[in-house]
Amino acid sequence: QVQLVQSGAEVKIPGASVKVSCQASGYTFINYHIHWLRQAPGQGLEWMAIINPSGGSTSTAQRFHGRVTMTSDTSTTTVYMDLISLSSEDTAVYYCARDPGWDGRRSGWFDSWGQGTLVTVSS
Amino acid sequence: DTVMTQSPDSLAVSLGERATINCKSSQSLLYSSTNKTYLAWYQQKLGQSPKLLIFWASTRESGVPDRFSGSGSGTDFTLTISSLQAEDVAVYYCQQYYTTPYTFGQGTKLEIK
Repeated sequence: QVQLVQSGAEVKIPGASVKVSCQASGYTFINYHIHWLRQAPGQGLEWMAIINPSGGSTSTAQRFHGRVTMTSDTSTTTVYMDLISLSSEDTAVYYCARDPGWDGRRSGWFDSWGQGTLVTVSS
Repeated sequence: DTVMTQSPDSLAVSLGERATINCKSSQSLLYSSTNKTYLAWYQQKLGQSPKLLIFWASTRESGVPDRFSGSGSGTDFTLTISSLQAEDVAVYYCQQYYTTPYTFGQGTKLEIK
């Protein structure tokens, strides 16, 4: 079955950066896009970015431009999301989620989710 | 950005009764060339990741009980739970994927009365 397993919780100071990983299994990794979303404590869901693991093309929400970098490693079926210049407003649970669009196309919804990674930014 | 607004913010329904959650988008989610509506619904139980329920506004994801149904078109949408079960207690979100950035409603908290 499809599984997305994320790295563990992180605590960072303001101005630092964080790298969250998402290891995929149970399907052909290069055939499906992966999205990154986040959820601040007690808040709703916010879409951040998408990566095509085949080739590494990305698209990022405007508000995260210049702060988010995503990479993929096909040998370990893992995608990574780097977020720089952290502030307290970046404290959130970060999720990776699979886009079910087949063979390089993207659908835009999210059919499988990682367990979430809590990133806490505090001085 | 496309703004998604859900109502109500919270809802208490008796077991076995119908629950209805509304979602309104700031622009039409119907793509004329495909005649498809770019809206999904998710369920998020406490402490868990969201779970996909519905896509294309009314297509149930595999394995989702048929008491969950989605309807609507254009800018107004509804998620209906026909007979509420205890395990349906959760926060429900609508999401548009018509255009990036993909955006969500603020969520509706569903509880048992």
